[in-house]
Amino acid sequence: TQLLEQSPQFLSIQEGENLTVYCNSSSVFSSLQWYRQEPGEGPVLLVTVVTGGEVKKLKRLTFQFGDARKDSSLHITAAQPGDTGLYLCAGDVTGANSKLTFGKGITLSVRP
Amino acid sequence: DVKVTQSSRYLVKRTGEKVFLECVQDMDHENMFWYRQDPGLGLRLIYFSYDVKMKEKGDIPEGYSVSREKKERFSLILESASTNQTSMYLCASSRGTGASYTFGSGTRLTVV
Repeated sequence: TQLLEQSPQFLSIQEGENLTVYCNSSSVFSSLQWYRQEPGEGPVLLVTVVTGGEVKKLKRLTFQFGDARKDSSLHITAAQPGDTGLYLCAGDVTGANSKLTFGKGITLSVRP
Repeated sequence: DVKVTQSSRYLVKRTGEKVFLECVQDMDHENMFWYRQDPGLGLRLIYFSYDVKMKEKGDIPEGYSVSREKKERFSLILESASTNQTSMYLCASSRGTGASYTFGSGTRLTVV
């Protein structure tokens, strides 16, 4: 059973479109992180959210942590080809050891 | 600029060879991790380490071993490489419980 479910698995959109992707779990997380991985590279941290209901913005990217700290969303406004990549969410399960739990990721392709 | 450095970007090895993948971090992080990443399977944890000379099995340790003789260096060893170990290997480090990971750029290993 996957602890963190990400949806959709694949998304292909035109430049300029908006999109929202999701990271869901039945477990409570003390914090949740989003990473972006470009082809042939390692994942790079985008943001960490720690408080239920928290919203963080990174330029055109808006991240929200659910009120119950079980889920998160990533909204991209006016997507650009440079946003193409694999988006991973990762959570620190409350009370668990120091390992993060990763979702399988969302592959986003933005066509020029 | 803080970083995690993996010794090779690409490796080609023969079946049965002993393979060493090296990872060095310059952030004085306590925790280090080895993952493999395969299409459709996400990141799978092989081994991790909370401290020097300390190691713990992850989800898929079979066929692998690790060594952490110094805090900054975490090595992954494939005792006898097999074709099913062809994969992208990612090393990561973090400073503690729930902290974000810094990943290396990855090693694409092909076993022929």
